[in-house]
Amino acid sequence: GQQVMQIPQYQHVQEGEDFTTYCNSSTTLSNIQWYKQRPGGHPVFLIQLVKSGEVKKQKRLTFQFGEAKKNSSLHITATQTTDVGTYFCAGPRYGGSQGNLIFGKGTKLSVKP
Amino acid sequence: NAGVTQTPKFRVLKTGQSMTLLCAQDMNHEYMYWYRQDPGMGLRLIHYSVGEGTTAKGEVPDGYNVSRLKKQNFLLGLESAAPSQTSVYFCASSPGTHYGYTFGSGTRLTVV
Repeated sequence: GQQVMQIPQYQHVQEGEDFTTYCNSSTTLSNIQWYKQRPGGHPVFLIQLVKSGEVKKQKRLTFQFGEAKKNSSLHITATQTTDVGTYFCAGPRYGGSQGNLIFGKGTKLSVKP
Repeated sequence: NAGVTQTPKFRVLKTGQSMTLLCAQDMNHEYMYWYRQDPGMGLRLIHYSVGEGTTAKGEVPDGYNVSRLKKQNFLLGLESAAPSQTSVYFCASSPGTHYGYTFGSGTRLTVV
């Protein structure tokens, strides 16, 4: 069945270091979304990428969508303690006809001050 | 705006008991979803609805039922709770396909 995989599962960084999480889909995606979940909180929508090769930035966060629309990455420059949380990617299930998403298992980021 | 509101926030059930989780959204979104989140398993879709009066099964629907009688509300029912249903349940809504979700704050359910 359709799968969305993320690596790494965990990442521990020193404050100020960069961080990257990768997302790979078993199928071509029409779009990919990224969410952040703080410890004890709920997922919060960050961004959606739609075009092949698309790159979007939000302050220190850079999101990329692969040329084949089967992979994506989130890069954080100079991490801060406020970046702590789990980052999830998600893509439309079965082409998106039903409007629901399949989520990766997430990358848990911890930042040491 | 409240966004997506889930009640209750915490609940402990005994095996075999039933309960209903309520999700309410005030954004006039057509689509609503119930996910469960378990350690190491990510978010898994239980049931979803693409409009008032409609529901559909997701990845892990067994043991759950849902109803969407009003556009703003999506109810998740457990008829006979089992310890395997111990989880954090998140409701979410979206305006339609290819839009980001707005999640509720979650319900932490323990079945003993």
